[in-house]
Amino acid sequence: DAGVTQSPTHLIKTRGQHVTLRCSPISGHKSVSWYQQVLGQGPQFIFQYYEKEERGRGNFPDRFSARQFPNYSSELNVNALLLGDSALYLCASSFRFSNTGELFFGEGSRLTVL
Amino acid sequence: EDQVTQSPEALRLQEGESSSLNCSYTVSGLRGLFWYRQDPGKGPEFLFTLYSAGEEKEKERLKATLTKKESFLHITAPKPEDSATYLCAVKSGYSTLTFGKGTMLLVSP
Repeated sequence: DAGVTQSPTHLIKTRGQHVTLRCSPISGHKSVSWYQQVLGQGPQFIFQYYEKEERGRGNFPDRFSARQFPNYSSELNVNALLLGDSALYLCASSFRFSNTGELFFGEGSRLTVL
Repeated sequence: EDQVTQSPEALRLQEGESSSLNCSYTVSGLRGLFWYRQDPGKGPEFLFTLYSAGEEKEKERLKATLTKKESFLHITAPKPEDSATYLCAVKSGYSTLTFGKGTMLLVSP
């Protein structure tokens, strides 16, 4: 079975631009979470979606938004990019909302903002 | 606010040299402590879940233990393929995971 897939794997943007990152969860998983991992740091929670509804939001500005589609795939959007948005963006899926913390992560999308 | 502190930040071992990684946590109502392994350029891979003090879990050369304030990841006779960053995370209530910064382990042959 396919794991969590993310696209694109790498991308370079300039300050002020917009970016859309995509994630397909493991088949049958209904919850998708997004994490930001800056180099040398642990992943930091951005959003969680379950059954197409936002169920949690981390301490990130309104420039960050996300949504989940009927097929449970998800998009993370970041507007007005800043240099500090450069990071590995990780998507993780789990079967339930009240998951055990046993998340299945994709390989991430590496965003570089110049 | 949940907090997780991992030490050391980096650890270099010779093949076969056993050691332990530490994860100290502050959380209101622990719902689980989790260990993940992350290889360079990859997403984290789930290793263990611990729920209560005194609990232990083992997988190959790894053993995770939990007390009321910290968790240890013991690595027995490590091999070069154990080289990775090991992340500790906690979950409280219905919150999502709070991760530590990780310990980067390098095992030399």
